Parts: sequence; structure tokens; C-alpha cells
Amino acid sequence: GAVVSQHPSWVICKSGTSVKIECRSLDFQATTMFWYRQFPKQSLMLMATSNEGSKATYEQGVEKDKFLINHASLTLSTLTVTSAHPEDSSFYICSASLGQVAGSYFGPGTRLTVT
Amino acid sequence: DAKTTQPPSMDCAEGRAANLPCNHSTISGNEYVYWYRQIHSQGPQYIIHGLKNNETNEMASLIITEDRKSSTLILPHATLRDTAVYYCIVRPNFGNEKLTFGTGTRLTIIP
Repeated sequence: GAVVSQHPSWVICKSGTSVKIECRSLDFQATTMFWYRQFPKQSLMLMATSNEGSKATYEQGVEKDKFLINHASLTLSTLTVTSAHPEDSSFYICSASLGQVAGSYFGPGTRLTVT
Repeated sequence: DAKTTQPPSMDCAEGRAANLPCNHSTISGNEYVYWYRQIHSQGPQYIIHGLKNNETNEMASLIITEDRKSSTLILPHATLRDTAVYYCIVRPNFGNEKLTFGTGTRLTIIP
């Protein structure tokens, strides 16, 4: 099946700093990628839809100036958490769609801890 | 997207078939049923999807009722590695549509 990678797999940062998470589709091109956030013992919550070459579409309640998304190529989308706070500590997961009725494929996730 | 309802948790004995139900009574004609699972601290894994016919692949079988208001995911011979949260999702058949996750079913395989 299609492979999606994320980097880093985990990161610890200090409050007030920014963190960039990369999502790559390794063996296919993805015009659309999705970013999710998952808090402990909760389900995945969609944060935004990332479209190659255009601005991301954010879900209601997600601050676009805090969670910067860039989809510069058909194989790479990045999520930057700016001015991170402890409440931003979470598991961040990206996915990419193969298009049509094929399922989305998910990355392994990035665990962010803000101290 | 149509909502889905799943039992919060289920147990299944190792080696037995695990049958996970899902209700999607408000599903629309152009919506597919997708199943994913998430093993602890990993990204979700695609399992199977279908529209109205039953489907089978190397991982599982998907049985969709004739009225499409419910479905069952079947893991034919459950192993300990099948312990995970299983999500049933309905989604229109447009390739770039987002997936909206519910709470899923936490399946525990008992040795």
C-alpha cells in the first residue's frame, strides 16, 4: 500500500518556540493532505485540509495563524506550530489521499510535548 | 457526512472471528463505508471500504446490509496484534474528501 512518512516522530520543545512537522507521501503524489490532532484517549480531530499550491482550509476553531500549513509540492506538506504552549502537546497525524474512492493513508504520527 | 454509531468496546478470543458492527442509518447514496484501525500510538491503518456489495481482502471482510444502514467488519481469525480501536466512517466518493472520525470501537483480543 501507499506509504506516508512523518518527521520527526517525536519532539519536545519549550513554551513559546515553534515546531515544524513534515508529512511526505513516499510513493505517490498527493494533491490533498490532511492534518489531524489527537489528545490522549480521544479520537482524531481534523485540523485542516492542505492543498498543493493553494491555501489550507482550516476546521472551525483551529487558529490558522498558530498552525501554519504549507503544501509546496505534491509529496510534502508541513505543519508549523507557532508559539507553542503546553496545551498544544498532542499527537499530530497527517494523511494523504490517492484520489477517487481509494482510502486515505496515514502517517505514523508525531508526538509533540511542550514544556 | 453521515454519522456512524459503534459500540465503545468489544472483546474477542484469540483465533475466533471478530465481528464489529456499525450503524449508519443516514448514509447517502453516494457515500462509501470505510473502516480504519488505530493501534496504540500509531497512525490509523486503512482496512477496507465498500459501497453496497460485500467486500473481502487479505485483512478483513465487510458485510453491508441491503438497505446500507449498517455494516459489519469481520476479522476472520483474530490475533493479539488485532487489538486496536476500529473506526467506521462514511464518506462521499470524491477522492479528496476528508475523513471524520467518531469514537470507534476498542477491540481487545483475549489470549
